[in-house]
Amino acid sequence: GQQVMQIPQYQHVQEGEDFTTYCNSSTTLSNIQWYKQRPGGHPVFLIQLVKSGEVKKQKRLTFQFGEAKKNSSLHITATQTTDVGTYFCAGTGSGTSYGKLTFGQGTILTVHP
Amino acid sequence: GAGVSQSPRYKVAKRGQDVALRCDPISGHVSLFWYQQALGQGPEFLTYFQNEAQLDKSGLPSDRFFAERPEGSVSTLKIQRTQQEDSAVYLCASSPITQREHSNQPQHFGDGTRLSIL
Repeated sequence: GQQVMQIPQYQHVQEGEDFTTYCNSSTTLSNIQWYKQRPGGHPVFLIQLVKSGEVKKQKRLTFQFGEAKKNSSLHITATQTTDVGTYFCAGTGSGTSYGKLTFGQGTILTVHP
Repeated sequence: GAGVSQSPRYKVAKRGQDVALRCDPISGHVSLFWYQQALGQGPEFLTYFQNEAQLDKSGLPSDRFFAERPEGSVSTLKIQRTQQEDSAVYLCASSPITQREHSNQPQHFGDGTRLSIL
């Protein structure tokens, strides 16, 4: 079955440093979504990427979808303590009859003030 | 609040007991998903409903797991004869329209039920 791998598992940064998490799928994806889960909270949707090579920005967050639609990345510039949480990518495989999501295991981001 | 509501928030049960977890999706949402999230892992798909129809239950780990959504709104996930490996957070998510591969919609998650089996 489809597998989505995410690295790194953990990332500790000083406030103001940049952060990147990478997502790789074993199969080609139709689209990919990114979610953020704060400690003790539930996943909250951030963005969806659909097109090959797509790049989207949300303030300090930059999301990319690979040309082959098998990988994606999330980059945060100048991290803040409010960025703390776990970031998940979730992909929809090609050929599925509906938008079933397969989540990566997440990257836990800790920001030291 | 008009978010996805799940109850109970916490459930402790003895091994072998049956449990029922409830999900109230956002009003009018057609699609409803159940996920299991183990500690330190991402959510793993269990089952998907489109209105009252259960279109995919391929993620249910065993026949001890059963889900229903009889009137197309509230859903219940039932686990019979619970085992320790069932301990996890069970998340429910809903989406306003029928999911399609090429027009996927954001899923709105509830806070989950943390299930502990002793």
